[in-house]
Amino acid sequence: DAGITQSPRYKITETGRQVTLMCHQTWSHSYMFWYRQDLGHGLRLIYYSAAADITDKGEVPDGYVVSRSKTENFPLTLESATRSQTSVYFCASSEIAGGYNEQFFGPGTRLTVL
Amino acid sequence: TQLLEQSPQFLSIQEGENLTVYCNSSSVFSSLQWYRQEPGEGPVLLVTVVTGGEVKKLKRLTFQFGDARKDSSLHITAAQPGDTGLYLCAGVVYQAGTALIFGKGTTLSVSS
Repeated sequence: DAGITQSPRYKITETGRQVTLMCHQTWSHSYMFWYRQDLGHGLRLIYYSAAADITDKGEVPDGYVVSRSKTENFPLTLESATRSQTSVYFCASSEIAGGYNEQFFGPGTRLTVL
Repeated sequence: TQLLEQSPQFLSIQEGENLTVYCNSSSVFSSLQWYRQEPGEGPVLLVTVVTGGEVKKLKRLTFQFGDARKDSSLHITAAQPGDTGLYLCAGVVYQAGTALIFGKGTTLSVSS
């Protein structure tokens, strides 16, 4: 299927466990992004990647790790999940960075940390 | 401190009414985008405005970028239930990298 997909769509985990959220895009977009969306905070950038093997921190990177070995995949790992990481996570991609190009968002992963 | 302030936070109106959503900042933006998000889905781009004073129309939606590129507005004429959703403004701060900054959003509910 063309587009941007995220898996799983829903995840419940416990404090201290490692969790990996997957993101896959079929457009060969250079840029990929991870956001978290929380009530009262809107969308906040966690990490982004300009190309394979190039990643950079966003506004709220603590507690998260990313990798990008292939252009189409951009997994987000919570190394030791905390309750404050309960959120809805969105992956996005775009051809170029900046605010002139559309960012295409995945459907989101709702993560609950107990 | 939120770089992009959206108002109102919530809006509940009847079908056929007009409404305006505001997105304000003390910073200058290179561009501003408006996204719409429906429950359980990711945001979808509605429009990008780049030039100060620019006005763009998308059917019943009118978007304006302020002359000083610090604010934007979204006006919906004759709202319909299908307009219900979360409206997000987002922009790139002028000469401050390429990261897209999002406002907290305006939740719009249009009832028939």
